[in-house]
Amino acid sequence: DAGVTQSPTHLIKTRGQHVTLRCSPISGHKSVSWYQQVLGQGPQFIFQYYEKEERGRGNFPDRFSARQFPNYSSELNVNALLLGDSALYLCASSSSSASSGNTIYFGEGSWLTVV
Amino acid sequence: GENVEQHPSTLSVQEGDSAVIKCTYSDSASNYFPWYKQELGKRPQLIIDIRSNVGEKKDQRIAVTLNKTAKHFSLHITETQPEDSAVYFCAASKGSNYQLIWGAGTKLIIKP
Repeated sequence: DAGVTQSPTHLIKTRGQHVTLRCSPISGHKSVSWYQQVLGQGPQFIFQYYEKEERGRGNFPDRFSARQFPNYSSELNVNALLLGDSALYLCASSSSSASSGNTIYFGEGSWLTVV
Repeated sequence: GENVEQHPSTLSVQEGDSAVIKCTYSDSASNYFPWYKQELGKRPQLIIDIRSNVGEKKDQRIAVTLNKTAKHFSLHITETQPEDSAVYFCAASKGSNYQLIWGAGTKLIIKP
């Protein structure tokens, strides 16, 4: 079975540009979450989507947005990139909206470098 | 909001010895506590988790304990091996969603 897949795996952008990161959850999983992990720190929650609806939003500026499609895949968009947006962006999927009784699975991540 | 503190930031132990990493959380409503292992350049991998209705859980050389009253939980690794070297993260969440709040991580070094 395929796990959580993310694309691209690595990318370099310049300040002010826009980036779109993509995630395909494990087949049958309806919940997708996005996390940002800056080097040397723990991941920070950005968004959670379940059944195409936003279920949670972390403390990130409006430059960050996301959506979930009918096939449960998801996109994370970041506008007006800053140097501080350089990080590993992790996508996680799970079969339900709540953590009780279920495990979440992480993709390999997308490494974003802003120069 | 929830805050998770993790100690120590670096832990160096002799191969074969035990390692203990501790985390405290602030929100008494948190009820799910996973531990992740992250090797350099890789994604976090779930190694063990515990829910608030359980005080202890063990999986071979790894165990987690939870003290709800004190709001802290710990990871115990026995008979450490070189491949245990990595960064370990604790996290906490409530049951309503998957918003995991993560600790800052512990770099575990296993000395041969």
